[in-house]
Amino acid sequence: GQQLNQSPQSMFIQEGEDVSMNCTSSSIFNTWLWYKQDPGEGPVLLIALYKAGELTSNGRLTAQFGITRKDSFLNISASIPSDVGIYFCAGRGFGNEKLTFGTGTRLTIIP
Amino acid sequence: NAGVTQTPKFQVLKTGQSMTLQCAQDMNHNSMYWYRQDPGMGLRLIYYSASEGTTDKGEVPNGYNVSRLNKREFSLRLESAAPSQTSVYFCASYKGSNEKLFFGSGTQLSVL
Repeated sequence: GQQLNQSPQSMFIQEGEDVSMNCTSSSIFNTWLWYKQDPGEGPVLLIALYKAGELTSNGRLTAQFGITRKDSFLNISASIPSDVGIYFCAGRGFGNEKLTFGTGTRLTIIP
Repeated sequence: NAGVTQTPKFQVLKTGQSMTLQCAQDMNHNSMYWYRQDPGMGLRLIYYSASEGTTDKGEVPNGYNVSRLNKREFSLRLESAAPSQTSVYFCASYKGSNEKLFFGSGTQLSVL
């Protein structure tokens, strides 16, 4: 089955640093979503993107829907301890109920 | 304010045993999904149901069956559990029209 290529797989950063991660696909998507998962919990939606080229912010988080419709990027500015977790991208095709998830980026903040 | 409720939270099975994972949503969503999450693999779709009375296979359906009992409930059954089915299982629901996907808190299943 198709999965999205998400990178990096893991990140170790210091508090206050900025974070960038991306997701690429061989298929075109109509919608890109970014989720965050805390330990022992289900993923929670952070940002939803619906148009190619769209740039959307949610507090310190900014995500972009790639022009080619085959990629998306998530940036976190000035990281804080509660940013720790696993970040997933997800894409949905045209007229498609199914959501395909990336393999995840695990973010760890080094004291 | 329940959202998506999954039971049980944890389960240990022996190889060959059967069990059903329950999922219910109170948001009147049309679509419901079952995913499994394995280390380094992200979330993979097992089955989904676009509406009451319909079910479709996802990426990894082998070894599983599902039932969309009504609009609220979508259950996942393992008829003969295998160690390869050790995973964390998530149920999710979706209203449609680019609304967001809501997840339950997961079921951690170990098959010995």
